[in-house]
Amino acid sequence: GAVVSQHPSRVICKSGTSVKIECRSLDFQATTMFWYRQFPKQSLMLMATSNEGSKATYEQGVEKDKFLINHASLTLSTLTVTSAHPEDSSFYICSAVAGGSTGELFFGEGSRLTVL
Amino acid sequence: TQLLEQSPQFLSIQEGENLTVYCNSSSVFSSLQWYRQEPGEGPVLLVTVVTGGEVKKLKRLTFQFGDARKDSSLHITAAQPGDTGLYLCAGGGTGANNLFFGTGTRLTVIP
Repeated sequence: GAVVSQHPSRVICKSGTSVKIECRSLDFQATTMFWYRQFPKQSLMLMATSNEGSKATYEQGVEKDKFLINHASLTLSTLTVTSAHPEDSSFYICSAVAGGSTGELFFGEGSRLTVL
Repeated sequence: TQLLEQSPQFLSIQEGENLTVYCNSSSVFSSLQWYRQEPGEGPVLLVTVVTGGEVKKLKRLTFQFGDARKDSSLHITAAQPGDTGLYLCAGGGTGANNLFFGTGTRLTVIP
C-alpha cells in the first residue's frame, strides 16, 4: 500500500524556537496533503489543507503565521511551528491523498513535538 | 466544522466480550471511515462505508452506516487484547476528501 512518512518522529525544542516537520509520500504523488493536531487522549483536529504549488487552506482558529505550511513538490509538505510555546506541544499527523481527488487517504506515523 | 460524537469515550472489557461503538452526527456525510490508532502512531484505516444502510464485515468487526448517512456503528465480537486502541470514525463531505474526525473511543481489552 501507499506509504506516507513523517520526520522527525519526535522533537524537543526550547520555547521561542521554530520546528519544521516533514511529510513525504514515498511511492505516490500527492497534490493534496492534510495536517492534523492531536492532544493526549483526544481525537485528531484538522489544521490545514496543503495544496501543491499554492497556499494552504487553514481551518478556523489555526494561525497561518504560526503554523507555516509549504507544499513545494508533489511528494513533500512541511509544517513549521514558529516561535513555539509549551502549549504547542502535541502530536502532529499528516495525511496524503493517493490517486487524485477521490483517492484513498494515507496517514503518516505522526510527529510528537515537546516544547520546553 | 462538522461534529462527530462517539460513544462511549472509554471502554474497558474482558477478553471474549462483545462491544459496540457509536458515531453520531447531525450532518450528512458522503462517506464514513473507521480508523484504529495505536499510541504514538498514525491512524490506520479499517473500513469505508458510502451507502446508507450499508453493512461491512471485517473478521470480528462489523460496521454499519446509518440509513440517513449521519451515523455509524462498529461492533466487535469476542474482543481480544489485540483490539486495544483508539477507534476513530471520520466523515467526508461531498466533494471533499479531507476528513472530520470523531471524538474517539479508547478501547482496552483485558486478557
